[in-house]
Amino acid sequence: NAGVTQTPKFRVLKTGQSMTLLCAQDMNHEYMYWYRQDPGMGLRLIHYSVGEGTTAKGEVPDGYNVSRLKKQNFLLGLESAAPSQTSVYFCASTILQGTEAFFGQGTRLTVV
Amino acid sequence: KNEVEQSPQNLTAQEGEFITINCSYSVGISALHWLQQHPGGGIVSLFMLSSGKKKHGRLIATINIQEKHSSLHITASHPRDSAVYICAVGSRNQFYFGTGTSLTVIP
Repeated sequence: NAGVTQTPKFRVLKTGQSMTLLCAQDMNHEYMYWYRQDPGMGLRLIHYSVGEGTTAKGEVPDGYNVSRLKKQNFLLGLESAAPSQTSVYFCASTILQGTEAFFGQGTRLTVV
Repeated sequence: KNEVEQSPQNLTAQEGEFITINCSYSVGISALHWLQQHPGGGIVSLFMLSSGKKKHGRLIATINIQEKHSSLHITASHPRDSAVYICAVGSRNQFYFGTGTSLTVIP
């Protein structure tokens, strides 16, 4: 039982490049979330999903897209990376709204 | 706007000291979570509570729903407790996070 797994763990991108972050959970959780963590700020919600095939915008969705084609996977895409997207990205999942959250180990992304 | 406020932001303690971290929130919640993040590491859930008090080893978490306030206590602190502690509240379809309390326990 791996819990929540994020890949990759580290990545350096050049401005304008694209990439996809993968979040996989093996707990059959309905809810999945993508957050970014920046110094001096709390985690901020980028996008979330309340079930397979559904996604919704969070607090800071601009510049990101997501997909939830399979219940266990939640993908976060950057189509044209910008230096402002340099951050640590965390994925989380919960079985239902408001229940215990399980987090991935984070992805440290640097855009130069 | 800050839906969740934590205090203090930074805390240094001697090994063995009793530590308290506070969290206040302004939204209606389904549950409050205390999380731990070690330097360069992932985030681990310590507690989830919606009323009263929970204890796990040397850690105790309390919540007062009427006052919209929670505290995390660490008894007999140890250097391995050094980490960032984050308060998060579950509200509607998402969580709101505090900015964290950075704790350093000195031997």
